[in-house]
Amino acid sequence: GENVEQHPSTLSVQEGDSAVIKCTYSDSASNYFPWYKQELGKRPQLIIDIRSNVGEKKDQRIAVTLNKTAKHFSLHITETQPEDSAVYFCAASMGGATNKLIFGTGTLLAVQP
Amino acid sequence: DTGVSQDPRHKITKRGQNVTFRCDPISEHNRLYWYRQTLGQGPEFLTYFQNEAQLEKSRLLSDRFSAERPKGSFSTLEIQRTEQGDSAMYLCASSLGLAGAYEQYFGPGTRLTVT
Repeated sequence: GENVEQHPSTLSVQEGDSAVIKCTYSDSASNYFPWYKQELGKRPQLIIDIRSNVGEKKDQRIAVTLNKTAKHFSLHITETQPEDSAVYFCAASMGGATNKLIFGTGTLLAVQP
Repeated sequence: DTGVSQDPRHKITKRGQNVTFRCDPISEHNRLYWYRQTLGQGPEFLTYFQNEAQLEKSRLLSDRFSAERPKGSFSTLEIQRTEQGDSAMYLCASSLGLAGAYEQYFGPGTRLTVT
């Protein structure tokens, strides 16, 4: 079945630096890749997503890249701020009838002021 | 608040008891998902509804678990004869369900503690 690996499990950066989180998926039929931010005790919040027909997508300080050949996708956060501190989850889905999401194990990002 | 809502937010129960959780999706979203999240892990898919039809269930969903969405709006998840291993956050998500509209929006979750 589908499996998503996520690295690193923890990431500490200084405010203003960039942060990169990487994920690898196993099922080549996957075609939708969302990223969620989850603050302690709160719901996962969709922050950006990418479809398999696109290689890169940006939204202000956040960008996601997709390499279908290598089955890798990454989240890039530039000019990090303390409020970016949270757990970030990547996910993959084959879309279609179910579109169930298979999640990675999460990355705890700490932005030091 | 027009987002996904869940009730209760917290539930403490003794082993062997039955519990039921409710999820109200975003209005007009015809797809509804249940996930389970344990500490330090990502959410794991449990089951999926398209309107009132339950179209997929994970192998994680034992016979003690049952979910319904009787009128294609709110959904309930019942766990019978709870076990300590059922302790987790139960998350509900909804999606518009139109072609290409894959975005899933999560509720705040119900945290279940089985003592």
